[in-house]
Amino acid sequence: DAGVIQSPRHEVTEMGQEVTLRCKPISGHDYLFWYRQTMMRGLELLIYFNNNVPIDDSGMPEDRFSAKMPNASFSTLKIQPSEPRDSAVYFCASSLSGLSYNEQFFGPGTRLTVL
Amino acid sequence: RKEVEQDPGPFNVPEGATVAFNCTYSNSASQSFFWYRQDCRKEPKLLMSVYSSGNEDGRFTAQLNRASQYISLLIRDSKLSDSATYLCVVNPTGGSYIPTFGRGTSLIVHP
Repeated sequence: DAGVIQSPRHEVTEMGQEVTLRCKPISGHDYLFWYRQTMMRGLELLIYFNNNVPIDDSGMPEDRFSAKMPNASFSTLKIQPSEPRDSAVYFCASSLSGLSYNEQFFGPGTRLTVL
Repeated sequence: RKEVEQDPGPFNVPEGATVAFNCTYSNSASQSFFWYRQDCRKEPKLLMSVYSSGNEDGRFTAQLNRASQYISLLIRDSKLSDSATYLCVVNPTGGSYIPTFGRGTSLIVHP
């Protein structure tokens, strides 16, 4: 199994530009999570989907952030316009439904730097 | 009070030492608990789940204390390869799938 795939692995952009992060979950997993990790705030849950439907987006910092999951094998997180404070590592994770004891599998992350 | 709190460390221990971390949580209705491990510049990976009866996996033992609302991770006979950040994860309520991660505890095992 290829695991959770994220692209790009690194992104450097200038303030004001649009950034799109991509994620392919593990096949068969029906939950997908987007996290952001910084030294100051640790790992924060931004949004999660169940069967491609957004369930809770209360962690999305502001309207500049949006996430979509058009099908079971693909999700995007978009930042428009980007700001320097958005610099962080963004992780995508997936898991199977059922008991809340199920393991989350994380992708390798996208390291975003906004100049 | 934060939902999930951990001592950030770092815990600096010699090889062979026994080290323990605690993680406190604020929601008494929390149902499931985990320890994840994160290596430098890598993604978090599940280390072990924490059951009410405790859980042991080789050199690693996880315990849950519901009365005092904390979980613990004990590592015996530390190895250099145990150096990492250990993240505590709590699911606030049984029916809600919104895991809350602690900030992590950094462990450095030296020769």
